[in-house]
Amino acid sequence: QVQLVESGGGVVQPGGSLRLSCAASGFIFSNYAMHWVRQAPGKGLEWVAFIRYDGSYKYYVDSVKGRFTISRDNSKNTLDLQMDSLRADDTAVYYCAKDPTMVNPRSFDYWGHGTLVTVSS
Amino acid sequence: DVVLTQSPLSLPVTLGQPASICCRSSQSLVHSDGNTYLNWFQQRPGQSPRRLIYKVSNRDSGVPDRFSGSGSGTEFTLKISRVEADDVGVYYCMQGTHWPPLTFGGGTKVEIK
Repeated sequence: QVQLVESGGGVVQPGGSLRLSCAASGFIFSNYAMHWVRQAPGKGLEWVAFIRYDGSYKYYVDSVKGRFTISRDNSKNTLDLQMDSLRADDTAVYYCAKDPTMVNPRSFDYWGHGTLVTVSS
Repeated sequence: DVVLTQSPLSLPVTLGQPASICCRSSQSLVHSDGNTYLNWFQQRPGQSPRRLIYKVSNRDSGVPDRFSGSGSGTEFTLKISRVEADDVGVYYCMQGTHWPPLTFGGGTKVEIK
């Protein structure tokens, strides 16, 4: 069965950095695009970033462009999110999510359990 | 960006009764490939989201048939034919037609009366 397990969350000061990871199993990771989606405490869902099956294209929500970098290692079945220049409004649970397609972002058919990132001094 | 507006925000329902959630889009979600990439997700309290419906009306594996999706263009509906206690949570619509960004509706909280 498909499993997505996030790690790397924690408390960081404003302006700091954090790297999230997602370990994937139960499917051929290199055949699918992947996403990061976040949810601020008590709020709705917000798509953050997308990466194609081969890492060739990446897209970001405007609020994180230039600060966050999505990457993947198909040899290790892992998805990462490097988060720099963190702000208080980046505080959220971050979910790793699988896309059902290879190339274009369409949906999220499987989700991880999420990892909490808290940006606070 | 495509804005998805859900209604109602909160939906108290009696067990065994039907429920209906509306999702309106700021522009048509019909893609040039002919598909409409409108999805519905359920998020139970304390859990990760789970996809229920993709491309307007296709149920995911394991989703009870009391859940159904319909609609076209800019107006879509998620219906629960008979609400069960297990259905409590927040429901989100989401579009994958016009991107970036992928966008979600604000959510509808379903609770038992």
